[in-house]
Amino acid sequence: EAQVTQNPRYLITVTGKKLTVTCSQNMNHEYMSWYRQDPGLGLRQIYYSMNVEVTDKGDVPEGYKVSRKEKRNFPLILESPSPNQTSLYFCASSPRTGISGYTFGSGTRLTVV
Amino acid sequence: GQQVMQIPQYQHVQEGEDFTTYCNSSTTLSNIQWYKQRPGGHPVFLIQLVKSGEVKKQKRLTFQFGEAKKNSSLHITATQTTDVGTYFCAGLTAAGSARQLTFGSGTQLTVLP
Repeated sequence: EAQVTQNPRYLITVTGKKLTVTCSQNMNHEYMSWYRQDPGLGLRQIYYSMNVEVTDKGDVPEGYKVSRKEKRNFPLILESPSPNQTSLYFCASSPRTGISGYTFGSGTRLTVV
Repeated sequence: GQQVMQIPQYQHVQEGEDFTTYCNSSTTLSNIQWYKQRPGGHPVFLIQLVKSGEVKKQKRLTFQFGEAKKNSSLHITATQTTDVGTYFCAGLTAAGSARQLTFGSGTQLTVLP
């Protein structure tokens, strides 16, 4: 089944403890992106990647890192999480921007205490 | 940066009534996409509009892209309880080789039986 898989689905962590949210897609998509969703703010882009080893900042990149060493994987790294990073995170992929829509993962609900 | 505004933020309708959400971009878009997110779910791609003045229909849903490619609307005729969810528009700009999909804040639709 074509899908974007995120793990974990839920995570509660403490301030300052490094964490990684994994994202993997099995559709051979070039384009991948991370979004965070907060009430009233919609989906805000954190980072995106056009292809392997090509990443760029979105609208809210502060406090986050990404890497794209393989085409299928696009992990989101929080080196020192803070409470304001408590949010619902979505990974998404697309074969090429402008041709078709994004396929989203099921989301990761992160709470930083 | 690019901004995509979406109104209204919330809409309650009686089943059978029509519903419209509007999307407006601060910059000219290369295309616009629409997504639906059911409560507790992830965004699901509905459609993409590319051409100035384009109108597309999916059963009871009608999507329009403005002549200036800066605004769009989604109209649902005779809403049903299955239409419940949040509808997002997402604008795509092209700047050199970098492309970013910017989401509106969404319209949360409640359909009362």
